[in-house]
Amino acid sequence: AQTVTQSQPEMSVQEAETVTLSCTYDTSESDYYLFWYKQPPSRQMILVIRQEAYKQQNATENRFSVNFQKAAKSFSLKISDSQLGDAAMYFCAYKAGEYGNKLVFGAGTILRVKS
Amino acid sequence: DVKVTQSSRYLVKRTGEKVFLECVQDMDHENMFWYRQDPGLGLRLIYFSYDVKMKEKGDIPEGYSVSREKKERFSLILESASTNQTSMYLCASSLGGSDPHYEQYFGPGTRLTVT
Repeated sequence: AQTVTQSQPEMSVQEAETVTLSCTYDTSESDYYLFWYKQPPSRQMILVIRQEAYKQQNATENRFSVNFQKAAKSFSLKISDSQLGDAAMYFCAYKAGEYGNKLVFGAGTILRVKS
Repeated sequence: DVKVTQSSRYLVKRTGEKVFLECVQDMDHENMFWYRQDPGLGLRLIYFSYDVKMKEKGDIPEGYSVSREKKERFSLILESASTNQTSMYLCASSLGGSDPHYEQYFGPGTRLTVT
């Protein structure tokens, strides 16, 4: 069974600084997708960024980028120029293959942004 | 914009009561999901539905059942609520797993307290 591990229960970052959230996963599949979701306090969870395992290029969405290391089964999220609105719980998630429908989530990392 | 709504934000029920949590999505998605979110455990899948009247057990189905009579609506039922079912319940929907832009869209959550 696939597992997703987020080893940092909480992280803090100063406004305008850069922070990296860690995620590792375990799978025997070669085709899969990885995701980072953001859950702001009392607000709905939204997708931040998606990475297809077959793509070597790391995904980027504005201030959010990933460092995808397939051999190491590592998928970290880098947030540049952190803003107060980035404060949230962040979840790493895995989806198997092209036809997999289900996501496997990590335990989450609470990100606090200090002004 | 995809919209996933849940019938209640907060719910307080007594032990032994039958509890219904309703979820509605407006984007004609095939897939709908019920998760339970607990601190330190992330999101755990309770049940998944890939079509009307079709369902599949997730990782923690014990004590829960589901109903999907219409494509847009997915209900979670606690037949006899217990205190260990106190939790945040999240509903999500998505297109099929083969969608190259696969994404699960989440509702705002229902915080259920069983006393």
